[in-house]
Amino acid sequence: DSGVTQTPKHLITATGQRVTLRCSPRSGDLSVYWYQQSLDQGLQFLIQYYNGEERAKGNILERFSAQQFPDLHSELNLSSLELGDSALYFCASSVADLEETQYFGPGTRLLVL
Amino acid sequence: AQKITQTQPGMFVQEKEAVTLDCTYDTSDPSYGLFWYKQPSSGEMIFLIYQGSYDQQNATEGRYSLNFQKARKSANLVISASQLGDSAMYFCAMRGLNYGGATNKLIFGTGTLLAVQP
Repeated sequence: DSGVTQTPKHLITATGQRVTLRCSPRSGDLSVYWYQQSLDQGLQFLIQYYNGEERAKGNILERFSAQQFPDLHSELNLSSLELGDSALYFCASSVADLEETQYFGPGTRLLVL
Repeated sequence: AQKITQTQPGMFVQEKEAVTLDCTYDTSDPSYGLFWYKQPSSGEMIFLIYQGSYDQQNATEGRYSLNFQKARKSANLVISASQLGDSAMYFCAMRGLNYGGATNKLIFGTGTLLAVQP
């Protein structure tokens, strides 16, 4: 158990819908990262927050947004969902924003029908 | 551009034998970090081992060691005395760059599926 929690574990929804994925980092970690793992794209970095501020952005679609709250938990919002958004979404956390190992949560498996 | 290459889609190893999973990388950054993660069939990503580019010695963590050859840009994972529970997907990753400088984002390879046979 990495200490990073993600909810829900599984999510099934329809195209066009909006979902919110939640992540609680390890105790003491200030950075949160979101990754997407799909069969065609592999593991891709989406976005990083450090102590509430956006720190780095990857190939995150405009339909996706994220934020980190004062209690350091983070949410990833996915809207206007398409079939291709079906994937395993990971949250990871680290103590600081650079030079740190990231510990991953168990992931949220999203299926868009 | 930064890139991680894992050329072995899948491998078999006998229980109790050692196995090497290959990883090569490409980066223009003089300072970088290399990681290995394990993903069992249950889906979670488990951190195994880390190697910094300026580390003088190869990293070791229990049965895991990282064979770091900087000139060849390779960071192979060696698992000694394989166990059935080692059967999983293994990903090599590198800390990446972003516009404006270094970040902590990870760039992953495509993974190697390891099957340990009894």
